[in-house]
Parts: sequence; structure tokens; C-alpha cells
Amino acid sequence: TQLLEQSPQFLSIQEGENLTVYCNSSSVFSSLQWYRQEPGEGPVLLVTVVTGGEVKKLKRLTFQFGDARKDSSLHITAAQPGDTGLYLCAGALYNTNAGKSTFGDGTTLTVKP
Amino acid sequence: GAGVSQTPSNKVTEKGKYVELRCDPISGHTALYWYRQSLGQGPEFLIYFQGTGAADDSGLPNDRFFAVRPEGSVSTLKIQRTERGDSAVYLCASSLSGGMGGSPLHFGNGTRLTVT
Repeated sequence: TQLLEQSPQFLSIQEGENLTVYCNSSSVFSSLQWYRQEPGEGPVLLVTVVTGGEVKKLKRLTFQFGDARKDSSLHITAAQPGDTGLYLCAGALYNTNAGKSTFGDGTTLTVKP
Repeated sequence: GAGVSQTPSNKVTEKGKYVELRCDPISGHTALYWYRQSLGQGPEFLIYFQGTGAADDSGLPNDRFFAVRPEGSVSTLKIQRTERGDSAVYLCASSLSGGMGGSPLHFGNGTRLTVT
């Protein structure tokens, strides 16, 4: 059983559409990160959220950490082909090293021009 | 500046052979992590170094896997008697500091290991 469940597993949309992907768990995390990974490359950190209910914006991307610190969402407005990639969430459990993250299996996003 | 460098980028080996994978972290980063990513899955934690010492090796799957960081910089992940199930991308990450309030992870592009 995955500690972090990401949904959907695959998402294919047209350029200009909006989308939301989810990261859910029954465990509480001290912090949660979102990464984007392209083929043949390592994950690149997009954002870290640490406070329950926190919302962070990065251009067209909006990240939210659930009030109970068990789940998170990533919303992309007006998606562009350059947003294509694997989106991974990762969490650090309480009293563990922040770099010892538990990753979900990701959402593969394809944005068609 | 230079990021995390991993060599080789690809490694094909026969079942039963020994392999070494190398990671050069970002200069000045004291914390170094190894992760393993199988096809269609997210990265899985293997081991964490703070300086020269392995602070947490709880993710190593068995005693065929071993990692060192003798001078607190470059790290080598060593796999003995490789098995086909070891095939995966091995990712290295470094951060300025580790611990509970550690700084963000910077990943390398990984070594794709294929065991035939």
C-alpha cells in the first residue's frame, strides 16, 4: 500500500485547459513537496508546503496543503505544452529527516498544443 | 553553477556482477541521499549521509547494497551479486544541510542500471 496516493495516474489535456492533481494519505506530514520530473532527468523541486491550509502560488501553478496535513493538491491554470511531465508529491513524516521523503508514484501530464 | 553529477548515466551488467555508481554532490552540500526509482513508480529512499557517516541506511533493501562517502563529498553506491530486480534508475540528491529542518533536495539525473 502506497503511503502517498496520487491521482489521476495519467492526464492528457489540450493547451489552455485547467487541471488539478491530487496527493492523498492517511498519514500526517511535517512538510510536503511537489516535484516535476522529465524523461531522463531527476525530479526538480517546485514547492514545499509546511503549514496546514497553506496555499502557495508559482505563476500558473497553485499548491494547497490540507488543513490536517494529510493531503495536497496542485492546480494548473491555462496549461501549456511546457507543463508536460511527471508530477510527484513527496512528504516528510514527523520526527524524520526532511530529506528522507516518501514519494507518490506521480501523475503523468501531457498537454497537447 | 554545477548541479549534482552522476556517473555513469547508463550501466548494463550481467546478473551476478558487481557495480559501482558514483555521485558528485553540489559543492558545500553536507547532506547526500540515494534513491531508487523503478519504472512507473516514484523514487524510494535508500540511504542518507550527513558528512562522511551514513546517518540513516534503513532503505537499503538487503546486504548486497552498500554506500560510502569517505571524504564527505563524493559518494559511491555499491551493489554486489546484482539481480534482475535491481534494474532501476538510481538517483542521488544533495542538500545544504540535513536533519529535521533540512534544506531542499537537488537531484542528479540518475544512473539507469539494467541487469540482464
